[in-house]
Amino acid sequence: GAVVSQHPSWVICKSGTSVKIECRSLDFQATTMFWYRQFPKQSLMLMATSNEGSKATYEQGVEKDKFLINHASLTLSTLTVTSAHPEDSSFYICSASRRTGALNTEAFFGQGTRLTVV
Amino acid sequence: AQTVTQSQPEMSVQEAETVTLSCTYDTSESDYYLFWYKQPPSRQMILVIRQEAYKQQNATENRFSVNFQKAAKSFSLKISDSQLGDAAMYFCAYRSASGATNKLIFGTGTLLAVQP
Repeated sequence: GAVVSQHPSWVICKSGTSVKIECRSLDFQATTMFWYRQFPKQSLMLMATSNEGSKATYEQGVEKDKFLINHASLTLSTLTVTSAHPEDSSFYICSASRRTGALNTEAFFGQGTRLTVV
Repeated sequence: AQTVTQSQPEMSVQEAETVTLSCTYDTSESDYYLFWYKQPPSRQMILVIRQEAYKQQNATENRFSVNFQKAAKSFSLKISDSQLGDAAMYFCAYRSASGATNKLIFGTGTLLAVQP
């Protein structure tokens, strides 16, 4: 099966600093990558959709200046949480879509990143 | 806009027994995909089963099967011969078959406990 690697698995940072999370598709080229946020015992909330070489599309209510997404290649997308605050502490998950047919894709998920802002 | 509803926040099943998790969705589209994902304590999302809306036959993957009722917009997951390793959060998800994006819309999840 396809592998999506997310790094780091966990990170602790000081309030006011920025944190970068990487999402890599290791054995396929991802047509699209997605970034989710998940609070404890809650569902995945889509933050943004990113396509290689173009600006990310953010969901309503997500601050694009705070959550910077860069999709530099077909195998790498990064999420940077800028000027992090304790309320940004959460579990962040990426997924990458691999084309499996003319009109079909399949999503593969990274392991997630637990961000704690102190 | 599409929505996915899971009305059972928590469920419990005895080992080796069968359990059914409920999911309903709302959409005006005729072509779409439905999924069940499992999220164990490791929090890695694992695809359990998928169903194409144009297929009338219910999908089956070993001990996992679905009851897809398109008219009722219902998509339940049946787990047979439950095992301790099945304990996890289960998410139902919807994805449009058309459009520029392939984003998944998730339900709120059902936490499944398996009792030995």
